[in-house]
Amino acid sequence: DAGVIQSPRHEVTEMGQEVTLRCKPISGHDYLFWYRQTMMRGLELLIYFNNNVPIDDSGMPEDRFSAKMPNASFSTLKIQPSEPRDSAVYFCASSLWQSGNTIYFGEGSWLTVV
Amino acid sequence: DAKTTQPPSMDCAEGRAANLPCNHSTISGNEYVYWYRQIHSQGPQYIIHGLKNNETNEMASLIITEDRKSSTLILPHATLRDTAVYYCIVNPSGGSNYKLTFGKGTLLTVNP
Repeated sequence: DAGVIQSPRHEVTEMGQEVTLRCKPISGHDYLFWYRQTMMRGLELLIYFNNNVPIDDSGMPEDRFSAKMPNASFSTLKIQPSEPRDSAVYFCASSLWQSGNTIYFGEGSWLTVV
Repeated sequence: DAKTTQPPSMDCAEGRAANLPCNHSTISGNEYVYWYRQIHSQGPQYIIHGLKNNETNEMASLIITEDRKSSTLILPHATLRDTAVYYCIVNPSGGSNYKLTFGKGTLLTVNP
């Protein structure tokens, strides 16, 4: 299995630009998560989906952030407009209901907003 | 609101057992203990989990005290590649709660 695949791995963008992060979960998994990691705040859950439906988006910092999951094999996290404080590593992860909280993470998308 | 307490850092000699402690004195009856680790510049990796019995897999062993208020993750023969931040998390298994909360974890440094 290829694991959770994220793109881009690294992105540097200017403040005010739109950023789109992409994720392909492990085939067959029915839960998908977006996490953000910074030195100051650690690893934070932003949003998670079950069967492509957003279940809890209480961790999304503000309206500039949005996430979609149009089908079982693809999700996006969009930031518009981006700000320097959005600089972080964004992880996508997926899980299968039967496996409880055994969650498989991707390698992350390293975002720098200048 | 932290549900677990872990030492910020630990050292271990290569080839020796690494014993990582975790306190979870307020754990509820339906909450499992999960361990993840994060090697530098990589995503977190699941290691093991348990409810009340000791568990072992190819990566590690998990020892949970009888009162379930603390646990220990054991890496039997630590290697340099085990240097990572180790997170202890308590959470109901699946169901309606998938909000794993990662604390600061323990930075384990395996020395040659």
